[in-house]
Formats: sequence, C-alpha cells, structure tokens
Amino acid sequence: GAGVSQSPSNKVTEKGKDVELRCDPISGHTALYWYRQSLGQGLEFLIYFQGNSAPDKSGLPSDRFSAERTGGSVSTLTIQRTQQEDSAVYLCASSQRGASSYNEQFFGPGTRLTVL
Amino acid sequence: GNSVTQMEGPVTLSEEAFLTINCTYTATGYPSLFWYVQYPGEGLQLLLKATKADDKGSNKGFEATYRKETTSFHLEKGSVQVSDSAVYFCALSSRGFQKLVFGTGTRLLVSP
Repeated sequence: GAGVSQSPSNKVTEKGKDVELRCDPISGHTALYWYRQSLGQGLEFLIYFQGNSAPDKSGLPSDRFSAERTGGSVSTLTIQRTQQEDSAVYLCASSQRGASSYNEQFFGPGTRLTVL
Repeated sequence: GNSVTQMEGPVTLSEEAFLTINCTYTATGYPSLFWYVQYPGEGLQLLLKATKADDKGSNKGFEATYRKETTSFHLEKGSVQVSDSAVYFCALSSRGFQKLVFGTGTRLLVSP
C-alpha cells in the first residue's frame, strides 16, 4: 500500500482479555516502531524492529506486552491480560533504515484500544 | 534521560496571526530535532527537522532553529491559516538511535 496501515482501527475489550494489534509497514521499509499515545503519558516509544529482530525493547511497559515481526514486514503487538491503563492509541511507524542516520518515520493512523 | 518539554495548549489564534510554540529539550550528545503535526482524523506527519546546531528546518511556512546554547527548537509561522489547526509535537532522536522522544503536544486552534 501507499502508507503504513494498522488494524483494527478501534478495539474495545474487557479487562483481562488478550488483544493483538497489527501493523503493515510501507513496502521496503526495514525499520518498524511501535508507540503509544495516551492522555496521561503523551506519546511513548514501545519497541523498535530492524528486520525481524528487536534491538530496542526498552519502552515496553510490562511483560504483558510483546511484539514480533515476520518476514521483515508485518508486525503484531500483543497485550496479554489487558488492564484499563492500557487504553490508548497504539501507533506504528516505519522507515527505510535503522540507526546511524536518521530516516523519516512514517506513521500509521493508529489503533484506538479501550479496555473496559 | 532524554526529554522534551513544550508549551501547553490550546493555543488559540485568529487567522494571519503570528505563531510561536515553544520547545526545549534535555539530551546527551547532539540529538536531531523534529516537529510533527497531527491534523484532525489523520496520522502523525513530519513537518520539519534539524540535525545539527544552528540548522533551520522549514516547511509550509513553518520554521524552527536548532539552538544548542538554549537547548530549544521553537516553532514559528508568520501568518497562520485555519487549515493549520492541528496538534503539534516536538521530538528528538539521539544520534545512533532511531526512537523518537516526544513532547506532550500543543493543540493549535485558528479561527477565521
């Protein structure tokens, strides 16, 4: 596609359930990022992939959060046993390369997660 | 750790007014600095960037100058339009790392 896509656009779940959020980066982009945008915390980095490996997972808030990337393309962010404080907009971004020089990150529209 | 502080909003202006949104940062080394914009119902977009001290980033009439001595990267526009209404985020990226550290965002409302 022309840009970064994310699905679903909205997700409402009950506390304690697991959720999976999907990101399709721009074709050919080797770097992929997940961020979270919430009222209390602003925009926070979660995890960075270069290819299929994640050299920086420092932003994942707890071990309930995990992410993987397969085929150097699609990424899935999984939140287990969701809590109300997980409610936020989860943003995915991709860029052509990773560290050593800055490459513009292109953001998807986000997935709005609401935990009841 | 690295951090970005930007002025709280909302900033409310009339069309053709002068805009300044303040942004200061704390970082080790020499970060790259960015302004991102989020228009209503749309994703984040890069507005402008500067990668070293005294660089000026500019785009769509917006400008920001990387001031190392004051650790600032204030966003300015000489004459705002209604279509500039959006949320503006200041951000930095440390050299050698790609993750962006964002400020809290400033909502700009421009009325006709």
